[in-house]
Amino acid sequence: GDSVTQMEGPVTLSEEAFLTINCTYTATGYPSLFWYVQYPGEGLQLLLKATKADDKGSNKGFEATYRKETTSFHLEKGSVQVSDSAVYFCALSGTGGSYIPTFGRGTSLIVHP
Amino acid sequence: DAGVIQSPRHEVTEMGQEVTLRCKPISGHNSLFWYRQTMMRGLELLIYFNNNVPIDDSGMPEDRFSAKMPNASFSTLKIQPSEPRDSAVYFCASSTRNRVGYGYTFGSGTRLTVV
Repeated sequence: GDSVTQMEGPVTLSEEAFLTINCTYTATGYPSLFWYVQYPGEGLQLLLKATKADDKGSNKGFEATYRKETTSFHLEKGSVQVSDSAVYFCALSGTGGSYIPTFGRGTSLIVHP
Repeated sequence: DAGVIQSPRHEVTEMGQEVTLRCKPISGHNSLFWYRQTMMRGLELLIYFNNNVPIDDSGMPEDRFSAKMPNASFSTLKIQPSEPRDSAVYFCASSTRNRVGYGYTFGSGTRLTVV
């Protein structure tokens, strides 16, 4: 079945550091890929998405590129802020005609001033 | 748009009691999902509905759990009787079924504590 693997956290960075959170997937066909963010005490929010190979999703300074050859969708941000501290979830959907997403376990990001 | 609305935000109950969680999806969304989140298991899909009809409840852990969607604007998740191991954050999410790349909108969750 489909699966999503994320790097384990927590990832701890200083403000203005470069962020990478790795995400790789296993899926049949050509899924859509997503990153969701969960701030403390809140539900998941869609951060960005890409629906086909080589697409780049971007939002709020975050970017991720759909890499079919490496089955990856790594999340990056050039300069993180304290307010980016949250849990980040990678997800895929759309394989086998199903739109139900498969989520990774989540990666906690802690940004220190 | 007010987003997906869940109530209550927090619930503390004693073991054996009935618990009812509520969800109002985004207007116009025709798919609704109930998830449970714990540190041990992460995010688990419990059940989902399309056009108010339950499609897949294979994630519901036991017969103590039940979910209903009497109309397009309301759903409930009930646990009867509740047990301490049911303590978790329960999320409701809604989506537009026919758009695979659309993504979900989640509510803020209900934090359930069973003592």
